[in-house]
Amino acid sequence: SQTIHQWPATLVQPVGSPLSLECTVEGTSNPNLYWYRQAAGRGLQLLFYSVGIGQISSEVPQNLSASRPQDRQFILSSKKLLLSDSGFYLCAWKADREIGELFFGEGSRLTVL
Amino acid sequence: QKEVEQNSGPLSVPEGAIASLNCTYSDRGSQSFFWYRQYSGKSPELIMFIYSNGDKEDGRFTAQLNKASQYVSLLIRDSQPSDSATYLCAVKSGGTSYGKLTFGQGTILTVHP
Repeated sequence: SQTIHQWPATLVQPVGSPLSLECTVEGTSNPNLYWYRQAAGRGLQLLFYSVGIGQISSEVPQNLSASRPQDRQFILSSKKLLLSDSGFYLCAWKADREIGELFFGEGSRLTVL
Repeated sequence: QKEVEQNSGPLSVPEGAIASLNCTYSDRGSQSFFWYRQYSGKSPELIMFIYSNGDKEDGRFTAQLNKASQYVSLLIRDSQPSDSATYLCAVKSGGTSYGKLTFGQGTILTVHP
């Protein structure tokens, strides 16, 4: 069965520091992968998606970047964090069928101080 | 106009009652519709999806879709305190959207004993 993991689960970072969040998927190959962010009390905002290695599409201009160095690895990064980057970051993979439901990892809660 | 809009909460129902959660969407080309449940501090988990007009039942949950009215709902029968969570409506658009889902802002449901 397919599983998805994210880490770290929680982190507190100062403004201006770098960020790296990692996501890996097991049990499937060449999945579509997504990074969403959920601000406090808000819905999910799509940040990036990837349909394959090295292929990244950005949905909104921001202080973040994404990379997909391997088939089942998706990384979210920032060189210098802003206060507004705080939130709950969720990685997801899309089921390989027409319905295309998304399954989420456990999430990474980022607080920028 | 928001792409996916959910009825404003929070919604409070007594244990054993029917909880009704509503969602409207703006893109007429939308193909599939999803309901996720998110417990506080956790990642969203898929409850149901629906893609044809009408009702779809799964245990105590019933999803209803009306594409003409651009409306999708989730009914929870015999509500339990364990159903207390935020419910997210998500919509998959047609075309080359690479399977990305657009989420509503969520409705907080509280089931009180």
